[in-house]
Amino acid sequence: AQSVTQPDIHITVSEGASLELRCNYSYGATPYLFWYVQSPGQGLQLLLKYFSGDTLVQGIKGFEAEFKRSQSSFNLRKPSVHWSDAAEYFCAVGADAGNMLTFGGGTRLMVKP
Amino acid sequence: AAGVIQSPRHLIKEKRETATLKCYPIPRHDTVYWYQQGPGQDPQFLISFYEKMQSDKGSIPDRFSAQQFSDYHSELNMSSLELGDSALYFCASSSLGQGRNTIYFGEGSWLTVV
Repeated sequence: AQSVTQPDIHITVSEGASLELRCNYSYGATPYLFWYVQSPGQGLQLLLKYFSGDTLVQGIKGFEAEFKRSQSSFNLRKPSVHWSDAAEYFCAVGADAGNMLTFGGGTRLMVKP
Repeated sequence: AAGVIQSPRHLIKEKRETATLKCYPIPRHDTVYWYQQGPGQDPQFLISFYEKMQSDKGSIPDRFSAQQFSDYHSELNMSSLELGDSALYFCASSSLGQGRNTIYFGEGSWLTVV
């Protein structure tokens, strides 16, 4: 069975600082990996996805993520955080592109002015 | 671009009542998913439909049922509601018929059981 672990429940960074959110997955084959963001009381917005090919994927809002098979990781990064990035971030894995997703527990990002 | 539409956005029901949530997928999407997100929890997969047939089943209680209609919209029916059913219910859609694809989520329906 597939699973996702996001080791950091809460992260606080200063505005303008760089950000890295960790995600580790467990899946027997090549996974389909996603990062979603959820603002308070809002739905899930897709930031980026990895299916195959280049292991460094670019997403919306200046986010990127790198797939590292050897480490079973798909960490999300942003060079300079903005106050509007404060939200809950979920990493998810799917067995196939259109298959059901298994989500990690989420990481709540807080941004200090 | 059109997104996944869910209704109602907010719903308050009493224990033992019944609730129905509706989901209208992105046009030309043939697959619908339902997820439940409890307070402070990550979304949990409930059930999915592809071309009006159930395709996957997750942790959906027996008190819940769902179906996908000929126009591809879906409804999640919840009966004998319990306090623990209070959650944000997401519908999502994708298009398996177009090969590799992505699951797009609606903004969710908040159910509060009192």
